[in-house]
Amino acid sequence: EVQLVESGGGLVQPGGSLRLSCVASGFTFSSYWMNWVRQAPGRGLEWVASIKRDGSEKYYVDSVKGRFTISRDNSKNSLFLQMSSLGAEDTAVYYCARDRAPTTCYEWDCWGQGTLVTVSS
Amino acid sequence: QSALTQPASVSGSPGQSITISCTGTSSDVGSYSFVSWYQQHPHKAPKLIIYEVSKRPTGISNRFSGSKSGNTASLTISGLQAEDEADYHCCSYAGGSTYVFGIGTRVTVL
Repeated sequence: EVQLVESGGGLVQPGGSLRLSCVASGFTFSSYWMNWVRQAPGRGLEWVASIKRDGSEKYYVDSVKGRFTISRDNSKNSLFLQMSSLGAEDTAVYYCARDRAPTTCYEWDCWGQGTLVTVSS
Repeated sequence: QSALTQPASVSGSPGQSITISCTGTSSDVGSYSFVSWYQQHPHKAPKLIIYEVSKRPTGISNRFSGSKSGNTASLTISGLQAEDEADYHCCSYAGGSTYVFGIGTRVTVL
């Protein structure tokens, strides 16, 4: 069974940092682009970042550039999101999501259960 | 990147058909045939139901269909069922390996 399990969320003060993790199982992790998507309370989804199979390419939404870093460890089937300079606008459930296919595609067919990040003093 | 425009809510009776619109710009929806739709039940993760404008993943009911014209994509749910009550999010590729979502539409089955 294909599964993604996120962890690392929690309460953090404005200006603080947090590192999210996502452990994958049930598929060849190194064959897929991976992504982070977030959802603020009561709001729609927002694509945050994507990383190529080997980690050589990384892309971010403008609002997190310079503050967030996506990375992966294929030996541990793990995806990460290092977040810094956090603000209230970053409060959201963060989902780890897998590309639909190992070939080039533009959608995500497997999602984790999400991990909640709350930025508040 | 601005969010794609979706109606906040759409409702219909069981058995009816409803259509949700998703309007973007010539930089996203209008330029690429990479529009996808996700269904999300309360407190659940999103689920892919349409990709590349009109394709359905294995296991998704053919009651869900997608289309696109110009800068607007649409999701139609035919034969509406109680289990279809959920939030629906459209997403478009926006070039440069970036993506933009819609604001989401709440579907209510009357």
